[in-house]
Amino acid sequence: EAGVVQSPRYKIIEKKQPVAFWCNPISGHNTLYWYRQNLGQGPELLIRYENEEAVDDSQLPKDRFSAERLKGVDSTLKIQPAELGDSAVYLCASSQDPGLGQPQHFGDGTRLSIL
Amino acid sequence: AQSVAQPEDQVNVAEGNPLTVKCTYSVSGNPYLFWYVQYPNRGLQFLLKYITGDNLVKGSYGFEAEFNKSQTSFHLKKPSALVSDSALYFCAVRDGSGYSTLTFGKGTMLLVSP
Repeated sequence: EAGVVQSPRYKIIEKKQPVAFWCNPISGHNTLYWYRQNLGQGPELLIRYENEEAVDDSQLPKDRFSAERLKGVDSTLKIQPAELGDSAVYLCASSQDPGLGQPQHFGDGTRLSIL
Repeated sequence: AQSVAQPEDQVNVAEGNPLTVKCTYSVSGNPYLFWYVQYPNRGLQFLLKYITGDNLVKGSYGFEAEFNKSQTSFHLKKPSALVSDSALYFCAVRDGSGYSTLTFGKGTMLLVSP
């Protein structure tokens, strides 16, 4: 089966500019996650979707971050405006049934650099 | 709150020798435990999980892990290391009830020398 697809792989922008990341999960996976991974750290959850509903966005900095998952498939994560501290790798993951212990499957991420 | 500790930033082992990457956890309910591996400029790749049942779990690429409830540990092991096993390894835990967040450790870099 095809894995989780993310684009772009790399993005370099100046601070205060907007940026968007796109994710296409594994077909049939209703649960979708966005994580941020800082250098030397494990991933940290930003938001979790069940189908098109954001069920956990408690760690999403809502003043500058937004996300959507239209039609419960693809998802977009946006930052506006970007700050220097947003430099990180943004990972998307999907899972078929996490309640039953199904693992999350990750895309290769978008590496964001803020100048 | 749940947490994961990976006490070693780096583990060095010679090819052909056994390897162990340590993980301890804290969670309020029954733990769901996972190991992932990350190669440079790639996402995390699932290796194995413990949900219930046998304490010794076998996973991909010859890796296995042992769940120890009394020591709250879930160490990753492999009988004979390969140079290609060199990568960053993450342990993760969540409460098995409902849909709790998966919490990751900081990762352990495994370096296997020829």
